[in-house]
Amino acid sequence: GENVEQHPSTLSVQEGDSAVIKCTYSDSASNYFPWYKQELGKRPQLIIDIRSNVGEKKDQRIAVTLNKTAKHFSLHITETQPEDSAVYFCAASRSGGYQKVTFGIGTKLQVIP
Amino acid sequence: GAVVSQHPSRVICKSGTSVKIECRSLDFQATTMFWYRQFPKKSLMLMATSNEGSKATYEQGVEKDKFLINHASLTLSTLTVTSAHPEDSSFYICSAGTSGRVTDTQYFGPGTRLTVL
Repeated sequence: GENVEQHPSTLSVQEGDSAVIKCTYSDSASNYFPWYKQELGKRPQLIIDIRSNVGEKKDQRIAVTLNKTAKHFSLHITETQPEDSAVYFCAASRSGGYQKVTFGIGTKLQVIP
Repeated sequence: GAVVSQHPSRVICKSGTSVKIECRSLDFQATTMFWYRQFPKKSLMLMATSNEGSKATYEQGVEKDKFLINHASLTLSTLTVTSAHPEDSSFYICSAGTSGRVTDTQYFGPGTRLTVL
C-alpha cells in the first residue's frame, strides 16, 4: 500500500517568514496530493491540492510543488501569519473522491508573532 | 463547497456500551465515505471505506465486528463502536468523496470525540 512520509514534525517560524513542509510517497500510481490544515479539535480543511499532471500550483500565499519522478511534493507558505499556526497534513491517493487517502504524520506549524 | 456533518460531536459513555456515530453529506451524494480515527497529536488513520449498498472494506488490524459500518443511503453512513472500552476513546472523523466536480476530493466531517469511562 501507499506510504507517505512527512517532515518536519514540528516547525517554528517568525511571522512574515516562509514555511516549507516536505512529503514523499511510495505508490507510483498515486496521482492526487491534497494538503489539509487542522486546528486543534477541528476537522481537517483542504487548503490546496495538486494532481500528477501538474508540477506546481499556487493559491495566494500557499503553493505546492510536485516532483513525480522523485515521488515528493512540498507545501510552501509565504508571509506566514499567526493564524497559519496549525497542524498540516500531506496526503496521497490514486484519485480524489472515491479512493482512500493516505496521510502523512502531520507537521505542527507555529508562527511566532 | 461540499458539506459533511457528523453527529454527535462529543459522547461520553460507560465501558461496555455501544455508541453510534452518524456521518451525513448534506448537499451532495456520496457513494463512498471513509472513517478515520485520530489519537491526540497523531495523524488520521483510515479504519474503513464505506460503500453505499455494500459491505464496508476494513483496513488491516481494524476489527469489523467491533466497528460496525452501515452505509444505507447516498447521504448517510454510520459507525457503531460496539462494547466500547477505554482504549476506544479517540477522535473519529468521517469523510465523503465527491467526483465529477471541478474539485474531486474528500470533505471531512467535524469529528466525534468519544470518551469511554
